[in-house]
Amino acid sequence: EDQVTQSPEALRLQEGESSSLNCSYTVSGLRGLFWYRQDPGKGPEFLFTLYSAGEEKEKERLKATLTKKESFLHITAPKPEDSATYLCAVQYTNAGKSTFGDGTTLTVKP
Amino acid sequence: GAVVSQHPSWVICKSGTSVKIECRSLDFQATTMFWYRQFPKQSLMLMATSNEGSKATYEQGVEKDKFLINHASLTLSTLTVTSAHPEDSSFYICSASQVEVDRGRWGQPQHFGDGTRLSIL
Repeated sequence: EDQVTQSPEALRLQEGESSSLNCSYTVSGLRGLFWYRQDPGKGPEFLFTLYSAGEEKEKERLKATLTKKESFLHITAPKPEDSATYLCAVQYTNAGKSTFGDGTTLTVKP
Repeated sequence: GAVVSQHPSWVICKSGTSVKIECRSLDFQATTMFWYRQFPKQSLMLMATSNEGSKATYEQGVEKDKFLINHASLTLSTLTVTSAHPEDSSFYICSASQVEVDRGRWGQPQHFGDGTRLSIL
């Protein structure tokens, strides 16, 4: 069964303390790996798409990278407004649907 | 771009009534829309995949007659919770994927609505 595993489950950082979130997957024939941010009571907000190993995408303090088995979401000098749950999703080859990980809840304290 | 509007954002109704939730892609055409359910502090649980002009594909364990999905146009999908009961109370979220010529239907991100909080009394 295809699985997407995110770690850690929760992460607490001080403002300015950089760190990384991990997403490992066991999906053969990757079509796309996606990162989303979800705030409480809201739908997920799309951040990045990665298609092949070695690819990197960057947006403000966030940088997503991809290898053949995992993806990292690097957060550089985070601010309290970066606090949210970050979801990783992987798309199958034979369907449009994606498998979502359970998410990492990030809390950034001032 | 890629805005998805979901309505209503919050609904409270009595047990036994039916509730319709709308999902619209405002600035793109969505051949595929998805419906999810999310329990507190849990990830998204896919309920069904909806393709424009055809019947929805339901995930295992999801009752087709309970959760009616219609995708009549490239910008609108609806989820109707029929004869709702307290156990149907949850946060329902829709998403839509747009088609790009170079990648066809696959390999596209989903764009989500802001969800509907459904409470059945």
